[in-house]
Amino acid sequence: DAGVTQSPTHLIKTRGQQVTLRCSPISGHKSVSWYQQVLGQGPQFIFQYYEKEERGRGNFPDRFSARQFPNYSSELNVNALLLGDSALYLCASSLEWTGVMQPQHFGDGTRLSIL
Amino acid sequence: DQQVKQNSPSLSVQEGRISILNCDYTNSMFDYFLWYKKYPAEGPTFLISISSIKDKNEDGRFTVFLNKSAKHLSLHIVPSQPGDSAVYFCAADFGNEKLTFGTGTRLTIIP
Repeated sequence: DAGVTQSPTHLIKTRGQQVTLRCSPISGHKSVSWYQQVLGQGPQFIFQYYEKEERGRGNFPDRFSARQFPNYSSELNVNALLLGDSALYLCASSLEWTGVMQPQHFGDGTRLSIL
Repeated sequence: DQQVKQNSPSLSVQEGRISILNCDYTNSMFDYFLWYKKYPAEGPTFLISISSIKDKNEDGRFTVFLNKSAKHLSLHIVPSQPGDSAVYFCAADFGNEKLTFGTGTRLTIIP
């Protein structure tokens, strides 16, 4: 079975531009979360979506937005890119948001570099 | 405010011996704790988890211990194998799947 797939794998942008990152969850998984991992740090939670609704948002500015589609895939959008947005962006999916911990399964990430 | 801390950035262990990775947390409201392993150029891979109502969970070579009074958990790998060389992240969850990660420990298994 395919795992969580993310595209593109690498991306180079300049300051002020906008970017869209894509994620396809594991088949049957309905919950998708996004994380940002800056070099030398652990992943930091950005968004969680379940059944196309936002279930949680981390401490990120409004330049960050996301959405989930009927097929449970998701997009992360970042506007007005800053140098500090350079990071590995990870998508994770889990089976269902039930209030009981379901382990999240991560994709290999999109490496975003801002020049 | 670092709610989950991994104070050892790196650890080297001889093959066949026990690897012990440590993690401390500050928020007593966390419901679950998880360990992930990460190889370069790959996403984190789920290893093992433990509920806050338990003090031990075991899965094959991996055992996680939770000491709630000390707000401390540890991951034991026995015996350590070369394929265990990776970065290990401790993560905590309030039960809402918004994981809070530590900064990671790089484990190197020496043949």
